[in-house]
Amino acid sequence: DTAVSQTPKYLVTQMGNDKSIKCEQNLGHDTMYWYKQDSKKFLKIMFSYNNKELIINETVPNRFSPKSPDKAHLNLHINSLELGDSAVYFCASSQASGTGNTIYFGEGSWLTVV
Amino acid sequence: KQEVTQIPAALSVPEGENLVLNCSFTDSAIYNLQWFRQDPGKGLTSLLLIQSSQREQTSGRLNASLDKSSGRSTLYIAASQPGDSATYLCAVRKTGTASKLTFGTGTRLQVTL
Repeated sequence: DTAVSQTPKYLVTQMGNDKSIKCEQNLGHDTMYWYKQDSKKFLKIMFSYNNKELIINETVPNRFSPKSPDKAHLNLHINSLELGDSAVYFCASSQASGTGNTIYFGEGSWLTVV
Repeated sequence: KQEVTQIPAALSVPEGENLVLNCSFTDSAIYNLQWFRQDPGKGLTSLLLIQSSQREQTSGRLNASLDKSSGRSTLYIAASQPGDSATYLCAVRKTGTASKLTFGTGTRLQVTL
């Protein structure tokens, strides 16, 4: 059983398109995240949701819009894709915001904008 | 602003050697520190989590230590194996900033036969 699953794993699309990446966790966690890993392998948080509410938004362009229909899902929608959006996007979850619990990551979604 | 640095950036050791990976952070007001492993083309796997009140955590051949006052953590891998080859990342959660993890730049480890 995959704890944090995200789809698609690979996505190649043209500039200007709109795309979505879906994420689901079956761990019963109440906090979910999106992280971006750039070409230099540096990981940086984009968003964090706790109980479907946005609690962290790290100055991400508003072309990126997270949506959390329920605690187990956090989807990432990207409008008007740009070349610089090419990266690996990781979804993650943990038990609660502000506690010491382990964060679990999905396998990543490789986005290539051409 | 929290900055997390890992040294060395890359390391190659022969199988069987013990090794130490280093992580340093600029703001000692952390809630916890977590070590991850990332295999090529894969996601992150959590290895160890150390609370700010703890000094070390152990799991199998792995031992992680934390010295909060000096802003340092080490990951000790005993009797390294080729299967340990991966990138190792440390990440700190700052006190009072809810869920945010700040990641280090990673150490790419190669264990050779």
